[in-house]
Amino acid sequence: KAGVTQTPRYLIKTRGQQVTLSCSPISGHRSVSWYQQTPGQGLQFLFEYFSETQRNKGNFPGRFSGRQFSNSRSEMNVSTLELGDSALYLCASSIELTDTQYFGPGTRLTVL
Amino acid sequence: ELKVEQNPLFLSMQEGKNYTIYCNYSTTSDRLYWYRQDPGKSLESLFVLLSNGAVKQEGRLMASLDTKARLSTLHITAAVHDLSATYFCAVDTYYGQNFVFGPGTRLSVLP
Repeated sequence: KAGVTQTPRYLIKTRGQQVTLSCSPISGHRSVSWYQQTPGQGLQFLFEYFSETQRNKGNFPGRFSGRQFSNSRSEMNVSTLELGDSALYLCASSIELTDTQYFGPGTRLTVL
Repeated sequence: ELKVEQNPLFLSMQEGKNYTIYCNYSTTSDRLYWYRQDPGKSLESLFVLLSNGAVKQEGRLMASLDTKARLSTLHITAAVHDLSATYFCAVDTYYGQNFVFGPGTRLSVLP
């Protein structure tokens, strides 16, 4: 059974640019969650999608958005990048949010 | 505002010893999650605790939840070096609408 994949694994952008990260969940998993991890703020919940609908959203500005496609693959987008957006972005999939989550390897974003 | 605390933040222990990591949270919740993260790696889900009194065990790790005390514990039995990692708890107060992580406990198991 293939695991959760995230692309790209590493990304370098400059301030003001936008970025799109992709997450392919485990087959059959309809819940996809996104998290941001930074040394300063720790782990923070971004949002969760289930069957193409955003069910939950963390406390992030509107520059952070996402979507989920009919095959459960999900993308998150960050517009007008700021230095503070430099982080490890993790994606997790599960059958339901309250089930065991399986995490991808993460995308490390560096904003210069 | 939901706050999640973990104690201790750093833990150095010898192989074969037992220890407990504590996770306290500030708002009523009945969903608590434990994760493990190895250095430079992604997260691994350990336990999902969904009700008061829930207890789950996997190998040398056992997690429990007391929603009345707003406390979860992660107990380590007869620690081995492979358990060295950072352990996070997370609390969800309303099905993901307020999902907050603790700061993590960095565990180092020494031979």
